[in-house]
Formats: sequence, C-alpha cells, structure tokens
Amino acid sequence: GDSVTQMEGPVTLSEEAFLTINCTYTATGYPSLFWYVQYPGEGLQLLLKATKADDKGSNKGFEATYRKETTSFHLEKGSVQVSDSAVYFCALSGGGSNYKLTFGKGTLLTVNP
Amino acid sequence: GAGVSQSPRYKVAKRGQDVALRCDPISGHVSLFWYQQALGQGPEFLTYFQNEAQLDKSGLPSDRFFAERPEGSVSTLKIQRTQQEDSAVYLCASSLSLQGAFADTQYFGPGTRLTVL
Repeated sequence: GDSVTQMEGPVTLSEEAFLTINCTYTATGYPSLFWYVQYPGEGLQLLLKATKADDKGSNKGFEATYRKETTSFHLEKGSVQVSDSAVYFCALSGGGSNYKLTFGKGTLLTVNP
Repeated sequence: GAGVSQSPRYKVAKRGQDVALRCDPISGHVSLFWYQQALGQGPEFLTYFQNEAQLDKSGLPSDRFFAERPEGSVSTLKIQRTQQEDSAVYLCASSLSLQGAFADTQYFGPGTRLTVL
C-alpha cells in the first residue's frame, strides 16, 4: 500500500537558519503530494502541494519539489522564523486510493530566537 | 468564513462507555473524512463520505466504530464500548470535491481528543 516516510524529529534551529525536512513516498500510480502544518493548539493546515512530477509547491517561504525519480518531496525554507515552530506532516493522495490522505509521522520543528 | 468544527474538543470516557463525536464540515463541501491520530503519529484514515453515502470505511479499526452523515452535512463518529487503545485525537476533514479529484484540499477541524480510562 501507499506509505510516507519523513525525517525523524525533533529538529531545533536558530532563527534565520536553513530548513530541510526530508520526505519520501511509496505509491502506486501518480499521487499528489502535500505538506501540512500543525501549529501548537491548532488544527492541521495545508502548507503546500504538488500534483505532478517536477511541480514545485510554495507558500510562506516554504518550497517542495515533486521528484518522481527519487520519490521525494523534501520541504525547504531558506530562513526560518520563531513563528515557524510547529509539527510538519508530509502526505500523499491518489496512489492506491484517489481521495484519502496517507501521512508521515510528522516532524517537530522548534526555532529559537 | 467558518471552518470545520468539531465537538467536544476533549472527551474523557471510562472503559466500556459509548461516545459520540460530532463534525460540522464547511458548508457546501461534498466530501467528509474521519482520521485517527495517535500520540506522536500522523493521522490515519478511518472513513469517507460523499454527501450522505459512506463510500469507504476500510480504516475503521473494529465494528465498535460507526460513522454516519444522514443529511450529507453534519457527521457523527460513534465508538461503542470504548477501550484504552481508542485513546487518540479524532480529526474530521472536508473538501469541496467529488471522489476522483484527489488533489483537492482537505480542510481539517481542530480534532476531538479522546481519553479512555
């Protein structure tokens, strides 16, 4: 079945540092890929998505590129802020099932001033 | 506009009790999903509705779990004879699309944290 593997956390960075959170997937067919973010005390929010190979999703300074050849969708940000502290989830849909989301375990990011 | 809402936000139940968790999706959203999120894990799919029809319940862990959406709007997830392993956050999500539009955004509610003692 479909699965998502993402970098184990927690990740602790200083403000303005570069962020990478790795995500790889296994799926049949051609899934869509997502990054969701969960801020403390809040629900899951879509951060960005990409629907086909070589697409780049971007939002709030975060980027991720759909790499079919390496089955990856790594999340990057050039300069993190304290307000980026949250749990980040990589997810896919449209592999074996064309509607439900399959999530990774999540990566806790803490950004210190 | 209003997002997805869930109630209660927190529920404590004694083992063996029945519980009912409510989800109010975004108005007009056709698709509704329930997920279960154990501590330190990502959400896992439970069930999916398109309007009032439950099209997939393959993720429900046992026959103690039951979900309904009788009028195609509000949904209720019911757990009978709760067990300690049912303790988790239960998330509801809705999306505008019909089945097949798999890239459509799912909007999540804040979740209900269920603790079974």
